[in-house]
Amino acid sequence: EVQLVESGGGLVKPGGSLRLSCAASGFTFSNVWMNWVRQAPGKGLECVGRIKTKTDGGTTDYAAPVKDRFTVSRDDSRNTFYLQMSSLKTEDTAVYYCTTDFHRGYFGSWGQGSLVTVSS
Amino acid sequence: EIVLTQSPATLSLSPGERATLSCRASQSVNTYLAWYQKKPGQAPRLVIYDASNRATGIPARFSGSGSGTDFTLTISSPEPEDFAVYYCQQRSNWPLTFGGGTKVEIK
Repeated sequence: EVQLVESGGGLVKPGGSLRLSCAASGFTFSNVWMNWVRQAPGKGLECVGRIKTKTDGGTTDYAAPVKDRFTVSRDDSRNTFYLQMSSLKTEDTAVYYCTTDFHRGYFGSWGQGSLVTVSS
Repeated sequence: EIVLTQSPATLSLSPGERATLSCRASQSVNTYLAWYQKKPGQAPRLVIYDASNRATGIPARFSGSGSGTDFTLTISSPEPEDFAVYYCQQRSNWPLTFGGGTKVEIK
């Protein structure tokens, strides 16, 4: 059974940094593209970043609102996926979900979500 | 960026009454469209992918159709557990984008 467990969320001041982790199990992690999707309070869903497998170049893609502030990375030896967030803004407040890729662009399995609150 | 527009914003139905949800793309996405179900406090769940394929474990009362710019999710006879918010999402181009959602509620 696929399991994705996020950690690292919490309260941070504007301009601060935070790193989310996603521990994966139940599948061959190194073979799967991974994504971060967020949902701000009362809002819809937004994919903020993804990373491909090393076989596919290990490249990353970012949504415009977070480009140059957020970095996704993966450690295949630890089956762990990361989201490093810096220069945080109040509008980054959201539940952040770690997801597996499905069919090169859909979101197959989801973690339970990690709440990030950016407030002074 | 491809913009997805969902309608209606809210759909009020009696249990068993057919639900028809719409998603329109700002440009063609071929059939690279998915639907997700989202309940409060839970992670979203993939329902339909590639416009018309049911994801694993999704009941046959859910069906999807469409191509190009116009798509439909139909729930033939909604059960109480189907009342939720539904989002469409395209994978044709990066950034991957979602529609604003349709809330399916009990009348």
